[in-house]
Amino acid sequence: NAGVTQTPKFQVLKTGQSMTLQCAQDMNHNSMYWYRQDPGMGLRLIYYSASEGTTDKGEVPNGYNVSRLNKREFSLRLESAAPSQTSVYFCASSERGKAFFGQGTRLTVV
Amino acid sequence: AQKITQTQPGMFVQEKEAVTLDCTYDTSDQSYGLFWYKQPSSGEMIFLIYQGSYDEQNATEGRYSLNFQKARKSANLVISASQLGDSAMYFCAMRERQTGANNLFFGTGTRLTVIP
Repeated sequence: NAGVTQTPKFQVLKTGQSMTLQCAQDMNHNSMYWYRQDPGMGLRLIYYSASEGTTDKGEVPNGYNVSRLNKREFSLRLESAAPSQTSVYFCASSERGKAFFGQGTRLTVV
Repeated sequence: AQKITQTQPGMFVQEKEAVTLDCTYDTSDQSYGLFWYKQPSSGEMIFLIYQGSYDEQNATEGRYSLNFQKARKSANLVISASQLGDSAMYFCAMRERQTGANNLFFGTGTRLTVIP
């Protein structure tokens, strides 16, 4: 009963390093999302994918890229990490409006 | 303008009492959905309850109910018979159907503390 699985759970990067956050869902949902959560703020949408092969920018896409590899997987890439990207990242998938979230990735950029 | 406004940064409630967490929203769409999520200290986001804009009855899920007042654009969460395990952050969220943005807009959250 996995639902939405994100890896890794924790990551520390140096400024300028790159990394990819992985996300997979086993609920056969079409829509998948990447959010970031910062202190005192709700979740803000980075990118979303309405279906396999399509991706669109959300509210805060700068500094990120995404890939919808197949229906199950949606990855988020930081090409050149910056301290402003220190945050908790959530992947989610949804069907008929209700979104299911992964456990989150706590990323620190030093 | 904020899509979702939660004006209570923190709330306290006595165990076994009921508590209302406020949420107001801003949309010009006729078709939208409203959600509440719970985020315990462990960090995961847990779906609690959903209300569609065309639903005439207020949504209920166990001890959770959503007090939906469409004309006032409010979607308050009511938790009855509070338990210690209800201590968490609570987020209100909205999805607009017609804009095509397919986004779930979140409020800034309310931290609920249940006092024994």
